[in-house]
Amino acid sequence: NAGVTQTPKFQVLKTGQSMTLQCAQDMNHNSMYWYRQDPGMGLRLIYYSASEGTTDKGEVPNGYNVSRLNKREFSLRLESAAPSQTSVYFCASQRERAEKLFFGSGTQLSVL
Amino acid sequence: AQSVSQHNHHVILSEAASLELGCNYSYGGTVNLFWYVQYPGQHLQLLLKYFSGDPLVKGIKGFEAEFIKSKFSFNLRKPSVQWSDTAEYFCALQTGANNLFFGTGTRLTVIP
Repeated sequence: NAGVTQTPKFQVLKTGQSMTLQCAQDMNHNSMYWYRQDPGMGLRLIYYSASEGTTDKGEVPNGYNVSRLNKREFSLRLESAAPSQTSVYFCASQRERAEKLFFGSGTQLSVL
Repeated sequence: AQSVSQHNHHVILSEAASLELGCNYSYGGTVNLFWYVQYPGQHLQLLLKYFSGDPLVKGIKGFEAEFIKSKFSFNLRKPSVQWSDTAEYFCALQTGANNLFFGTGTRLTVIP
């Protein structure tokens, strides 16, 4: 049982480049989330999807777009990367509200 | 807008000392509250959660937390910490919209 699979694990981009972070879960969870983790700032919610077909902005959505392709997959896209987007990105899923979050292993992204 | 505050950024304790980490939230409606722990180099793990009912919640590894609605607080406690409790602790809030926000985290260092 793979849980939450997140790719890639590491990525280096130049300013202005675009990329998509992939996330897939095999637990039939309804909700999925994208967070970024920065030192001293905890995890900040970028976007979330409460159910298939819906997406909503979190605390820090600027510069990102998401797509809930189906119940399993929730991708995060950076259209034009900026150094301020250097961070560790985590995808997470949750079966129902108030239940435990399952996290992916993270993507360490550096934007030069 | 909802928010979560953790005012203790770094706590240093000796082994066997008692622990209390503060968590306050801002939201007027029904909430679900969580405490997660992140050991160095690892994912976040759920320590405990409050959904409804008894405001005193017991979690794994001897941790407990008390939900005090009138104070908008959900403080984490442990009577006697161990060196292995050295980690970063995150309080999280989930509202009816299913968005799930984390606090900025408290780093706990336990000195043997």
